[in-house]
Amino acid sequence: SQELEQSPQSLIVQEGKNLTINCTSSKTLYGLYWYKQKYGEGLIFLMMLQKGGEEKSHEKITAKLDEKKQQSSLHITASQPSHAGIYLCGAASGTYKYIFGTGTRLKVLA
Amino acid sequence: DAGVIQSPRHEVTEMGQEVTLRCKPISGHDYLFWYRQTMMRGLELLIYFNNNVPIDDSGMPEDRFSAKMPNASFSTLKIQPSEPRDSAVYFCASSLLWDSHGGYTFGSGTRLTVV
Repeated sequence: SQELEQSPQSLIVQEGKNLTINCTSSKTLYGLYWYKQKYGEGLIFLMMLQKGGEEKSHEKITAKLDEKKQQSSLHITASQPSHAGIYLCGAASGTYKYIFGTGTRLKVLA
Repeated sequence: DAGVIQSPRHEVTEMGQEVTLRCKPISGHDYLFWYRQTMMRGLELLIYFNNNVPIDDSGMPEDRFSAKMPNASFSTLKIQPSEPRDSAVYFCASSLLWDSHGGYTFGSGTRLTVV
């Protein structure tokens, strides 16, 4: 079965620093979703990447999909305390099945 | 739309008791998903429905777990009898399509503690 592994598992950065979170799939990716979860709350959809090489941005968050590497990266520029939370990647695993990565816990120090 | 609504937000129950979690999806969404989140296993898909019909329940851990969707605006996840290892946050999510480009809309979750 397909698995999504995220790295790093946790990250603490100083406000204003840039950071990157990676999501690697054990199988070919046909679409990759990024979500953010604030502690104690539900997941909020950030963006979806569908094609190899595709890059999308939402405010200071940019995500890219590398189909050949079966990997996606999420980059935050000039991090702020509001970026803190758990970032999860999700992907279709077979027909009508949707799995999530292990999650990356981000803490931004003011 | 108020989004996906789950109740209760928190539930503490004793081992052996029956627990029922509730979910109201977004109106018009044809897909409803139940997920469970724990520190050890992350976010796991338990079951999903399409047009009120259960499509895949292979993620349901045991026969103690059951889910129903009697109509398009309501779903329940029941655990009977509950056990301490069922303690987790249970999320309900809904979507227009199973691979919607807009992603899934998640509820705020129900934090279940079985003592």
